[in-house]
Amino acid sequence: AQTVTQSQPEMSVQEAETVTLSCTYDTSESDYYLFWYKQPPSRQMILVIRQEAYKQQNATENRFSVNFQKAAKSFSLKISDSQLGDAAMYFCSIYGGATNKLIFGTGTLLAVQP
Amino acid sequence: DTGVSQNPRHKITKRGQNVTFRCDPISEHNRLYWYRQTLGQGPEFLTYFQNEAQLEKSRLLSDRFSAERPKGSFSTLEIQRTEQGDSAMYLCASSLMLGHQETQYFGPGTRLLVL
Repeated sequence: AQTVTQSQPEMSVQEAETVTLSCTYDTSESDYYLFWYKQPPSRQMILVIRQEAYKQQNATENRFSVNFQKAAKSFSLKISDSQLGDAAMYFCSIYGGATNKLIFGTGTLLAVQP
Repeated sequence: DTGVSQNPRHKITKRGQNVTFRCDPISEHNRLYWYRQTLGQGPEFLTYFQNEAQLEKSRLLSDRFSAERPKGSFSTLEIQRTEQGDSAMYLCASSLMLGHQETQYFGPGTRLLVL
């Protein structure tokens, strides 16, 4: 079975600063994908960034980047130059192998202070 | 491409009633997923379709739940004899499966409250 653990229920960051959200996972699969999704209050889940496990290079999407440590099964999300619109619940998830579904962590609620 | 849409956005019902939710995926997406999300938790998988075939169902999906995707386009999720424990956000996601790769795109969800 695949599991995802997000150990930070809440985080806070000042506008324009950088914040890192942690995620660890467990899987026995060799071929899998990792995702960060963002869910603003009362709004729909939006894909932030995706990482293929077979790629050593860390994925980046504008102000969002990941630190993928495959041996440690760690997949953290770094948000640079934080903006008020980044305030949301962030979910880490894993997909792949025999599991044709996303497995999610419990989420990290990010607050951005002006 | 207008994204995944779900209707209704909110539903309040009395215990014991039946409810049906609809999901319209992104056009040409061959996979469609249903997830359930309770307050403070991440979404949990319920079931998924590849085209019109329902390929997997979670143990969370009791026999009161049924899902269909009759023509491989939109999907419906029906809950019969609703219980208070069914209160949750029901999320739909769609994807285009190419080889082993897919990315799921979510709809806005249907929030169900069972009184």
